[in-house]
Amino acid sequence: IAGITQAPTSQILAAGRRMTLRCTQDMRHNAMYWYRQDLGLGLRLIHYSNTAGTTGKGEVPDGYSVSRANTDDFPLTLASAVPSQTSVYFCASSSIAGTDEQFFGPGTRLTVL
Amino acid sequence: GQNIDQPTEMTATEGAIVQINCTYQTSGFNGLFWYQQHAGEAPTFLSYNVLDGLEEKGRFSSFLSRSKGYSYLLLKELQMKDSASYLCAVMDSNYQLIWGAGTKLIIKP
Repeated sequence: IAGITQAPTSQILAAGRRMTLRCTQDMRHNAMYWYRQDLGLGLRLIHYSNTAGTTGKGEVPDGYSVSRANTDDFPLTLASAVPSQTSVYFCASSSIAGTDEQFFGPGTRLTVL
Repeated sequence: GQNIDQPTEMTATEGAIVQINCTYQTSGFNGLFWYQQHAGEAPTFLSYNVLDGLEEKGRFSSFLSRSKGYSYLLLKELQMKDSASYLCAVMDSNYQLIWGAGTKLIIKP
């Protein structure tokens, strides 16, 4: 693994199903983030984690949950998917929370029907 | 509310210079970032400004005026590979990034 990876690359999901998007980084970064990117809108922060064991809510957290059991992994779960959650999801990490640059994973394209 | 404004799309010619503007209104300010995003790919970091003035990095430069809530990204000697979206983002008082919708830059030969 080099940098930050996400899985799956893309997914089509029926509404009401549960889905977990995976994110793993090998840079030993303390902070991790989940964003969604929709056409015509800027990236919007869903949840973040400043360090392992802690998480926080971003701008659009409803319908999503996260956990940070260790430094490397930061999964994002949709408990019951809805069509408005159709989006491209990016995971990112930074060495520390704050003004450090963020490194982004390749993204997961999710379609909820 | 918090707001980041940048043009939706710009067109420029290969070899020329282009300036992409960004204006912002945020609750607090802890720096401004520029990222590049090629179609279908992840954003990648270009620059970070926290003090007023110009930061130069090769063909790319970024300027900040905190009193005016204004920044620009200057790209010189444009190459076809510079065709991408350029994202402006401001770190607010909670150290969260507020992102603009991005400027799609089209380079013509």
